[in-house]
Amino acid sequence: ETGVTQTPRHLVMGMTNKKSLKCEQHLGHNAMYWYKQSAKKPLELMFVYSLEERVENNSVPSRFSPECPNSSHLFLHLHTLQPEDSALYLCASSQSMADRGGGYTFGSGTRLTVV
Amino acid sequence: TQLLEQSPQFLSIQEGENLTVYCNSSSVFSSLQWYRQEPGEGPVLLVTVVTGGEVKKLKRLTFQFGDARKDSSLHITAAQPGDTGLYLCAGAGSGGGADGLTFGKGTHLIIQP
Repeated sequence: ETGVTQTPRHLVMGMTNKKSLKCEQHLGHNAMYWYKQSAKKPLELMFVYSLEERVENNSVPSRFSPECPNSSHLFLHLHTLQPEDSALYLCASSQSMADRGGGYTFGSGTRLTVV
Repeated sequence: TQLLEQSPQFLSIQEGENLTVYCNSSSVFSSLQWYRQEPGEGPVLLVTVVTGGEVKKLKRLTFQFGDARKDSSLHITAAQPGDTGLYLCAGAGSGGGADGLTFGKGTHLIIQP
């Protein structure tokens, strides 16, 4: 399988649940990202990983916890979320963090609904 | 904070017509990218422009980067229903990349048969 794969595609969770989003890339890219896409808002950068090291935490609430065990996998652990956290969560990768000319490759996203 | 304003927000036209969408900022970007996103999918890169004044063509799509590298436009000739989607522009700052890409809110384009 090529490209960036995200699972699950859809997730409904209660505010007291704990769940994890998974992202996998088979492109040999060194940088991976989590973005949040909400209606009527631009994509919001949440986390940046370069060579498995977190380099950016964009003032994201602690109820979101990222993990990058190796250069191909990225997780977003969720706990005690709020209804306003409902959104499309997109994972992306790029050849390197500094070289953005080649663009990002996005996964299809996880549509999260918090009830 | 770098912001990208896209216009129009929504556009619905008939097949065969031409259209232009815009991406504007008060900030200078080292490069600017255009993506298309279809429902239920992630954005897909269409083009990257790097040099001020640069023009790139992708079949019926023409992309231009402003001379001052603050704005960009996307022109579609003879639009087809397959062009329907959300068009996003994204700018890269001059830093090392830890700030990711700055995205606009997008233009929702509908091409009616």
